[in-house]
Amino acid sequence: AQSVTQPDIHITVSEGASLELRCNYSYGATPYLFWYVQSPGQGLQLLLKYFSGDTLVQGIKGFEAEFKRSQSSFNLRKPSVHWSDAAEYFCAVTYSSASKIIFGSGTRLSIRP
Amino acid sequence: DTAVSQTPKYLVTQMGNDKSIKCEQNLGHDTMYWYKQDSKKFLKIMFSYNNKELIINETVPNRFSPKSPDKAHLNLHINSLELGDSAVYFCASSHGVGAKNIQYFGAGTRLSVL
Repeated sequence: AQSVTQPDIHITVSEGASLELRCNYSYGATPYLFWYVQSPGQGLQLLLKYFSGDTLVQGIKGFEAEFKRSQSSFNLRKPSVHWSDAAEYFCAVTYSSASKIIFGSGTRLSIRP
Repeated sequence: DTAVSQTPKYLVTQMGNDKSIKCEQNLGHDTMYWYKQDSKKFLKIMFSYNNKELIINETVPNRFSPKSPDKAHLNLHINSLELGDSAVYFCASSHGVGAKNIQYFGAGTRLSVL
């Protein structure tokens, strides 16, 4: 079955430090990849997406992600985190042959002052 | 104005009761969804409607019945609530049903069954 794996359940980084959240997806002919963020008590908000073209995509709030087909990965990065980045981050995938989006289990990001 | 709004935000009820959660979107989208997020934050789709027609119906107990009176609304009715129904339920909407369509989420309804 198609799936998304986020191996890190919880990550803590210091404010101002760089961040990388990992995401791996199961093989699919044409994956469409997403990162969503869920702030406490809020719904999910789209950070960025990858459909085709340049494998490094820029998103909102200073986030970027890189698609690596050879590794089936779509890792999320930010060069310098802010306390307001503390939230739950979800990687998600759809495939050209399907209409259903599949979410990873999420990574909780905490920021150390 | 909130794009996707759900009511209520919190719902506490006893086992065996029947309850409804309402969802409305003002984005002009034609597709709406219900998701269940369990205590481990795992998000799983339950239902999806496109132009008021059911297009995704995952393995969900038939105690859960979605209703879409029009394209802007998708309500979720739950009969005979059980402890395991406790979760956060998210409504979402998108323009179209293709794999590239971005979904916009409501803030969630936290259901607690006692």
